[in-house]
Amino acid sequence: AQSVTQPDIHITVSEGASLELRCNYSYGATPYLFWYVQSPGQGLQLLLKYFSGDTLVQGIKGFEAEFKRSQSSFNLRKPSVHWSDAAEYFCAVDPYSSASKIIFGSGTRLSIRP
Amino acid sequence: NAGVMQNPRHLVRRRGQEARLRCSPMKGHSHVYWYRQLPEEGLKFMVYLQKENIIDESGMPKERFSAEFPKEGPSILRIQQVVRGDSAAYFCASSPPSGGGYTFGSGTRLTVV
Repeated sequence: AQSVTQPDIHITVSEGASLELRCNYSYGATPYLFWYVQSPGQGLQLLLKYFSGDTLVQGIKGFEAEFKRSQSSFNLRKPSVHWSDAAEYFCAVDPYSSASKIIFGSGTRLSIRP
Repeated sequence: NAGVMQNPRHLVRRRGQEARLRCSPMKGHSHVYWYRQLPEEGLKFMVYLQKENIIDESGMPKERFSAEFPKEGPSILRIQQVVRGDSAAYFCASSPPSGGGYTFGSGTRLTVV
């Protein structure tokens, strides 16, 4: 079945440590790929997106993500997290690479240890 | 250049009442999407609309829910005869005709009492 999988429900990292959040998708063609962040009680903010070209994508707030076609993955990374990065992170896919609906993963909650 | 505007931010309804949620897309965006987020869950697609047309409503519950995006004015998500299980955050997103650039509103948090 077509899906977006975020295998980690909750991750805790120490402030200043590196971060990697995993995302896998199961769509046939290369879809458009997104990472969004949601703070408690807030809306969603786009961190970065991949449509084509360079497979390493730079986003806002020091985040980056790498598209790996062979692994159907689009993992989010940050070299050094800040306490303000604590939030819910959603990977999302536009499976038809067009202005169609996007499908969200179930999210990964990130906590930061002081 | 305002973003996607949703109102109200918070809405409280008694069981059996109607809820109307409004969404004004970004300027230049002609596509609107509605999503529902239940507590402690991810976002679930509900409906995708263009002006005066419903393109994809595969995520809409079969009864009590409807959506429109008229030629003039905001998109409306309407929930009739609300029940406790409708309590959730409802998010609207918009994109330009070329797609790929989804902008989300801040959401409407519906509480059914």
